[in-house]
Amino acid sequence: GENVEQHPSTLSVQEGDSAVIKCTYSDSASNYFPWYKQELGKRPQLIIDIRSNVGEKKDQRIAVTLNKTAKHFSLHITETQPEDSAVYFCAASRRSNYQLIWGAGTKLIIKP
Amino acid sequence: DTAVSQTPKYLVTQMGNDKSIKCEQNLGHDTMYWYKQDSKKFLKIMFSYNNKELIINETVPNRFSPKSPDKAHLNLHINSLELGDSAVYFCASSQAGGELFFGEGSRLTVL
Repeated sequence: GENVEQHPSTLSVQEGDSAVIKCTYSDSASNYFPWYKQELGKRPQLIIDIRSNVGEKKDQRIAVTLNKTAKHFSLHITETQPEDSAVYFCAASRRSNYQLIWGAGTKLIIKP
Repeated sequence: DTAVSQTPKYLVTQMGNDKSIKCEQNLGHDTMYWYKQDSKKFLKIMFSYNNKELIINETVPNRFSPKSPDKAHLNLHINSLELGDSAVYFCASSQAGGELFFGEGSRLTVL
């Protein structure tokens, strides 16, 4: 069935360095790829998303890239800060049914 | 003016009891969801309602029953609670497959 794999499960980076989280999806009909951030004890919140008609999208220190041929997409965070510490989830869905298939999450730890 | 609100925030109960969690959204969205997040942080979709109609019903025990009295409300009733039901339950809403807005979560502890 449809599947989204997310790696790594835990990522520890030095403050100020970059962090990259990768996801692969199995359904070639997927065309919407959001990323959610969940801080400890809080609700997940959308931080960035991309649709299949573009290859890259940026929002300040956050960017997402999409490779439709290889069926993978990645979240890039530059100049990491302590407030970036959280669990990040990727997801994929088709326009036809809007059902999100979620990755297992990546715990990002920013070391001071 | 909370967008998605769910109550209660915490439930502590004994095995075998029945409990309900209520959810309301004031965003005018057409779709509402229930998610379960276990201790490993996996986000698992349980149910989805579009305009009061059930559209996603993942394999959850039939002890879990959602009810949507109108587009703005989606409640979750759980019968005969088991230890494995302990988790955080999130309600969420969206419009036409767009951004999901989550409630604060309801932490259920079954003793």
